[in-house]
Amino acid sequence: GQQLNQSPQSMFIQEGEDVSMNCTSSSIFNTWLWYKQDPGEGPVLLIALYKAGELTSNGRLTAQFGITRKDSFLNISASIPSDVGIYFCAGQYNTDKLIFGTGTRLQVFP
Amino acid sequence: NAGVMQNPRHLVRRRGQEARLRCSPMKGHSHVYWYRQLPEEGLKFMVYLQKENIIDESGMPKERFSAEFPKEGPSILRIQQVVRGDSAAYFCASSPPGYRAVELFFGEGSRLTVL
Repeated sequence: GQQLNQSPQSMFIQEGEDVSMNCTSSSIFNTWLWYKQDPGEGPVLLIALYKAGELTSNGRLTAQFGITRKDSFLNISASIPSDVGIYFCAGQYNTDKLIFGTGTRLQVFP
Repeated sequence: NAGVMQNPRHLVRRRGQEARLRCSPMKGHSHVYWYRQLPEEGLKFMVYLQKENIIDESGMPKERFSAEFPKEGPSILRIQQVVRGDSAAYFCASSPPGYRAVELFFGEGSRLTVL
């Protein structure tokens, strides 16, 4: 089935560093969302984006809806150990089902 | 305000048995979705339901899998005659009505192991 491509697949960073990850699609979306999943848990919604070009923040997290509507970016500033987990982007076109990306695995070292 | 409730959290079945996974959406949410996640992979859409209606089942395998969301009670994902390849985490999500219907809230998942 259709999936979104996320990069990088995994990241190993030092506590305090900033993190950037992105998500691309061959087709356009009307909505982009970013989720975080901890081991053994369900995904938790971080940020929802509804307009092309939109830039939205949630604490140390900032996400942008790409102008082409085919990509989105998530930045995490000043990472801390509890940022460890898997970050998924998800996109929706019109009222279609939500499609999830392949995930970016983040590891933060103290 | 309770979140999305799934049970059981863990289920072990032998090949050929049936698995039933239950999901109660968040209060006030009228949409239920089921996703499957294999180890080290992303979430794959299976089915989208509203009360007594299947809206989109394009991600459901054609055989052995069925889902329902009755007028009363939880949504049920049913897998008949399970095979080893059915071993996965099954996540239920619900969303509110209106323009925020795309914002899915997930349960903690049901992890099925087929021996």
